[in-house]
Amino acid sequence: NAGVTQTPKFQVLKTGQSMTLQCAQDMNHEYMSWYRQDPGMGLRLIHYSVGAGITDQGEVPNGYNVSRSTTEDFPLRLLSAAPSQTSVYFCASSLQSGTGFYGYTFGSGTRLTVV
Amino acid sequence: ILNVEQSPQSLHVQEGDSTNFTCSFPSSNFYALHWYRWETAKSPEALFVMTLNGDEKKKGRISATLNTKEGYSYLYIKGSQPEDSATYLCARNTGNQFYFGTGTSLTVIP
Repeated sequence: NAGVTQTPKFQVLKTGQSMTLQCAQDMNHEYMSWYRQDPGMGLRLIHYSVGAGITDQGEVPNGYNVSRSTTEDFPLRLLSAAPSQTSVYFCASSLQSGTGFYGYTFGSGTRLTVV
Repeated sequence: ILNVEQSPQSLHVQEGDSTNFTCSFPSSNFYALHWYRWETAKSPEALFVMTLNGDEKKKGRISATLNTKEGYSYLYIKGSQPEDSATYLCARNTGNQFYFGTGTSLTVIP
């Protein structure tokens, strides 16, 4: 059982470049999400999806796009990288319960530096 | 106000001491409160999901309580061990979104 798989683990981009962070889970979780983690800020939600074909914005969506064509995959696209997007990115997934969600399963993170 | 606040920011305790941390959150639009343990160089791992006022959860030496009316949750660690050293995060679940606190960093000194 692989859980949540994120790739790549590290990436350096130049300002203006685009890239896609990959996230895949094999637990049949309906809910998937992307967070960024910055010093002193805690984890902040970028985008989330409650099922295939459905996505929505979180707290800090600007500069990022997502899609959810399958239950398993939830890629995060940086359209034109900016230094402010230097961060550690986590993908997380969860099953939905009757009143909310079960605990998240997190991926191992992607450390992105934009120069 | 969506902010989840955790205190203290960091904590150093001696091995064998018991300790506790606080997570404060707005009590409106409450679905659930999550606790996570985050070890250095790893990913956060779920400890507890709490939904009802008065909920108490326990896993080994770690336990948590929830007060949704006043908007706080406590995490307790009994007889701290060096392997308990980690950052402990809480997150407020409101519908489809989660709001995380900045965590309490615990260091247990052997």
